[in-house]
Parts: sequence; structure tokens; C-alpha cells
Amino acid sequence: DAGITQSPRHKVTETGTPVTLRCHQTENHRYMYWYRQDPGHGLRLIHYSYGVKDTDKGEVSDGYSVSRSKTEDFLLTLESATSSQTSVYFCAISESTNSGNTIYFGEGSWLTVV
Amino acid sequence: DAKTTQPPSMDCAEGRAANLPCNHSTISGNEYVYWYRQIHSQGPQYIIHGLKNNETNEMASLIITEDRKSSTLILPHATLRDTAVYYCIVRPAGAGNNRKLIWGLGTSLAVNP
Repeated sequence: DAGITQSPRHKVTETGTPVTLRCHQTENHRYMYWYRQDPGHGLRLIHYSYGVKDTDKGEVSDGYSVSRSKTEDFLLTLESATSSQTSVYFCAISESTNSGNTIYFGEGSWLTVV
Repeated sequence: DAKTTQPPSMDCAEGRAANLPCNHSTISGNEYVYWYRQIHSQGPQYIIHGLKNNETNEMASLIITEDRKSSTLILPHATLRDTAVYYCIVRPAGAGNNRKLIWGLGTSLAVNP
């Protein structure tokens, strides 16, 4: 296991409500990522972080915001959830070292927006 | 950024070797080949990676052709627990380039009793 904890693991919410997913790592890795995975699509990057308070947009960032106030925590927020944001969300981490830059994933958070 | 092509599905008998191919004909000289797998309802799991040379670890072997345009992941003795979707991706060298990874749909491997 890569020392990544996602919470909540499962959530059902109503359209228009705010939702925050949390990713917590114990590896002290610099880089953190949020992906979503939907049928018929590969993993798609939502946002990523390259350090505390340093974040940038990914491929599918519309409707999402992120924050990283501590190295170990990366939060993904849906300000006003929509049915199109029903998905499974994966957090990932990586470090930049001479031995490589392998990315490791959490176990996922299943979000249903009704 | 280089993309990969994989067959959508494969079957393998339990106990036999599973050979999963991947085409990455546009790979650049500084791009690594990575393999991950995703067992149903779990997060993707790292398997192995390589640049030019063949690699082996406790999970699998990676064979990269000399021209680097294709590779094969080998699971030497497949078990039912190896049933999963296998992803082949290429990654540019350099810090922070994981943001450029392109994840396709992978190969769905079914290991049959």
C-alpha cells in the first residue's frame, strides 16, 4: 500500500450541494493528483499539486477546485455538484527522485449525485 | 506526448504465462514505459517500468523491443487474482511529468480456471 487514504469512500449527495473529498498521504511526497474515472474513458486528470499551496488544472477541471494547505492533504471540492460529476475519484501521489517518478493511487471515492 | 495501443481484451489459462502487448510507436527517447493494473473496484496498482532494457520484478517481466516501439508485459504464471485491466502508458522523464500521462482503456485480462 502506498500510504494514501481517501475519504469518504462512498457518498451520495443531491444536485447543487457542495462536496469535499479528502486525500491524505503518509509518504511526504511532493506531488498529488486527483483523477476521475468513467466508463468508456481512461483516467482523466482533474487537478494536481506540486507543493503546498501550489496547484494547477488538469484536463477536466471545470466544476472542481482544490486546496493543499499541508503536504499530506489534498482536498477536492465540488462547489455545486451536478449529475455529470457522478464518478469514481482517485487520488494519487508521486515523488521526483533519481530512482524514478512512479505514481501511486489510492483506493478511490465513489460519488453519486442524484 | 506518445500514446499507446493495447488490445481491448485477452484470455489466459490459470498457471500459464500471460503476455500482454503494447504498441508505442511514437515514443521519444527519454520516455519510460510504465505498466499498471486495476482490479475491479480498486485503484490502479503499479507493476513495472523500463526505459530501454528488459526489467523483471516479483510481479512481472517487461520486454521492450530494441527500437522501443513496442513492449510486452509478461505474467509468468497467471492466477485468478491477476484478472484485471492492464494499462501501458509512456511517461516523459523529468520531475512533475506525471501530469502528462495519457491513460487509455487498457487490456482487460481474464484468467480462466
